[in-house]
Amino acid sequence: AQSVTQLGSHVSVSEGALVLLRCNYSSSVPPYLFWYVQYPNQGLQLLLKYTTGATLVKGINGFEAEFKKSETSFHLTKPSAHMSDAAEYFCAVSHTGGGNKLTFGTGTQLKVEL
Amino acid sequence: GAVVSQHPSRVICKSGTSVKIECRSLDFQATTMFWYRQFPKQSLMLMATSNEGSKATYEQGVEKDKFLINHASLTLSTLTVTSAHPEDSSFYICSARDPGQGKTQYFGPGTRLLVL
Repeated sequence: AQSVTQLGSHVSVSEGALVLLRCNYSSSVPPYLFWYVQYPNQGLQLLLKYTTGATLVKGINGFEAEFKKSETSFHLTKPSAHMSDAAEYFCAVSHTGGGNKLTFGTGTQLKVEL
Repeated sequence: GAVVSQHPSRVICKSGTSVKIECRSLDFQATTMFWYRQFPKQSLMLMATSNEGSKATYEQGVEKDKFLINHASLTLSTLTVTSAHPEDSSFYICSARDPGQGKTQYFGPGTRLLVL
C-alpha cells in the first residue's frame, strides 16, 4: 500500500520569498514520486519526477525537489516565488508493480502575495 | 511534455441522460489510460484504469455499469456516464502513460460535468 501526506492545505508566501511545499510518502517498495501543478479549471501539469538516480530533481518553472529516503520525504521548493506560481500543487506516488497507479496527496493551495 | 486532450471541456445534461467524454493522446500511443474524478477543492480519485484492447479495471466502489470505459485504440479512451444524476456532477480528468517516458502520466485538461 502507498500513501501521500501533504502538510498544509494552504501556504502563503510573499513574492520573491522561498516556496516550500511538504510531501511525505509511505510505500512498502521503492517509490516513484511526482509533483503536479493544477491551475483553476484545468488538468494537471507535471512539474518534476523522481524515479531513480540523483535524489535532487529539477523541474520546470524553477522548481526542484529532493528525495530523502531516511525521512520518506519529497518536498518541493523554489527559491523565489512569482505571482504566476499561485496554484494547487499535488504530490503523488507510484511504484513498480503497482500498475503505474498514482496515489495523490490532498493538495496544497499556494498563494503568492505582493 | 506529451499532450493529452479531452472533449468536451464542459457539459451540462439533464438527469437520466448519458454523457460521453473522450480522452486522446495526441503525440504518443498509450496502452494505458486512467480516469480520475475530482470534487471541488479535493484531490483526484482514481476511478479506473483503461487498457487498450481489454476491459477496464475499476477501483473499489466505482460502478462499472455506471461508468463505461472503452479503450478502442492506442490514442483514444472514452468514459460514458450512463443515466447521469446530479451527484455525478464533478470534474473528470483523464491521463495517459507515455511508454517512452517510463512511469510518467500526462493529464488532460479535464471535463466539467453538471447534471441538472
